[in-house]
Amino acid sequence: AQKVTQAQTEISVVEKEDVTLDCVYETRDTTYYLFWYKQPPSGELVFLIRRNSFDEQNEISGRYSWNFQKSTSSFNFTITASQVVDSAVYFCALSMRSNDYKLSFGAGTTVTVRA
Amino acid sequence: GAGVSQSPSNKVTEKGKDVELRCDPISGHTALYWYRQSLGQGLEFLIYFQGNSAPDKSGLPSDRFSAERTGGSVSTLTIQRTQQEDSAVYLCASSLGSATSYEQYFGPGTRLTVT
Repeated sequence: AQKVTQAQTEISVVEKEDVTLDCVYETRDTTYYLFWYKQPPSGELVFLIRRNSFDEQNEISGRYSWNFQKSTSSFNFTITASQVVDSAVYFCALSMRSNDYKLSFGAGTTVTVRA
Repeated sequence: GAGVSQSPSNKVTEKGKDVELRCDPISGHTALYWYRQSLGQGLEFLIYFQGNSAPDKSGLPSDRFSAERTGGSVSTLTIQRTQQEDSAVYLCASSLGSATSYEQYFGPGTRLTVT
C-alpha cells in the first residue's frame, strides 16, 4: 500500500518569506515517482515538479526547490521569496508502476501569502 | 497546445437523476485518469484508461459509476441514480503513456452538486 502524508494543514507567510512544505510517503516499491501539484483558487491542478526514486539529486527551478531524502521518505518543497500569486493548495503525490502510475495524493497544504 | 478540457464546468442535478461528465485529453496522450475531489475524502482515484486496454475500474465507489473512452480519446464518466454523497469536483487527467510515470495534466474539473 502507498500513502502520502502532508502534516501541515495551513501555512501563512508574508510576501518575500520562504515557505517549506513537508511531505512524507510510504511505499514498498523500489521504483516510484514523486510530484508536487499546485491548486490555485481557480481550482485547476497545475503540475510543478517530478522526481524519480533513483535520483536523489536536489534541484532548484526558479523560485522552487525540493529536497528528496529516501532515508527519511521525505520530499519537501520550498518556495523562495514567496509572492501573493503563490497562494494556493499544494499537493504532494506518489505513483508507482505496480499501480499503473495512479496518483496517490496527500491531503494538501493551504499556503496563504500576505502582501 | 490545448490542455485537458472538461464539460460541463458545473452541474446541478436532483437526487436520483443520471449525469454524464465529459473529458477531452491532450492530443497524443494515451493514458487518461479520472479522480474525484471532495471535502471529506480529498483527491481519490476513480478509473484509468491506457490505449485500447481494458480500463482499471478499481477506484469506482459503486456500480452506479461507469466510464468509457471512445477511439482512445474522449472519455465520459456516467453516474446513475445520483446521491448527495456524489457531490464533488470530478477531475480528468491525461499523460503520455504508461511506460513510465509521465506527469499527469489535469483539466479544470466538473463541479457536481446533487440536491
